[in-house]
Amino acid sequence: QSVLPQPPSASGTPGQRVTISCSGSSSNIGRNPVFWYRQFPGTAPKLLIYTNSQRPSGVPDRFSGSKSGTSASLDISGLRSEDEADYYCAAWDDSLSGVVFGGGTKVTVL
Amino acid sequence: EVQLVESGGDLVQPGGSLRLSCAASGFTFSSYNMDWVRQAPGKGLEWVSHIHSGGTVYYADSVRGRFTISRDNSKNSVFLQMNSLRAEDTGVYYCARGGTSGWAWGQGTMVTVS
Repeated sequence: QSVLPQPPSASGTPGQRVTISCSGSSSNIGRNPVFWYRQFPGTAPKLLIYTNSQRPSGVPDRFSGSKSGTSASLDISGLRSEDEADYYCAAWDDSLSGVVFGGGTKVTVL
Repeated sequence: EVQLVESGGDLVQPGGSLRLSCAASGFTFSSYNMDWVRQAPGKGLEWVSHIHSGGTVYYADSVRGRFTISRDNSKNSVFLQMNSLRAEDTGVYYCARGGTSGWAWGQGTMVTVS
């Protein structure tokens, strides 16, 4: 069981919106910024969202992040086939003195 | 451009040791925190260890007492000394550059304990 539970899978048809949730606690998401990473099979993870809702240059605005209290979410709008990947949330945990990751959500485009 | 290149992964017997290295370039290495993250085959990401730019270190409970993280700012490198390896330590080990604007990741190096 991950410290930051995420749904194991999410899916949608092209053009639809998909939302991935990330549930935390006061020691991690409640106090610290949330990051989202995307990983394609056989490759290293790559930053998608930083500090809850900021997009690095090159990440399309179809991807948006938000945080409320001890939970965070990643929205993917206008779903495309190339969005098929695993998505992970992450945050520093003050109680554990370490980084905690979500278990990952596999996004499938139907 | 930020580049992180891991090396040192190998096949090792249970109880053995390995030293992973990560060579960094494209940024002022001494100013950044560095982390190691691993991924067991078919599983999710697991944070392993962190070294602050000032030298403070942190470890996941699963590796504390067996793994040691260190850095050499003169060589722009971070290391992970892994002792008393177990089968459950098997996976791809990624080096990552920390920071408030998110992590940059290396391509990973495979460690197999069998």
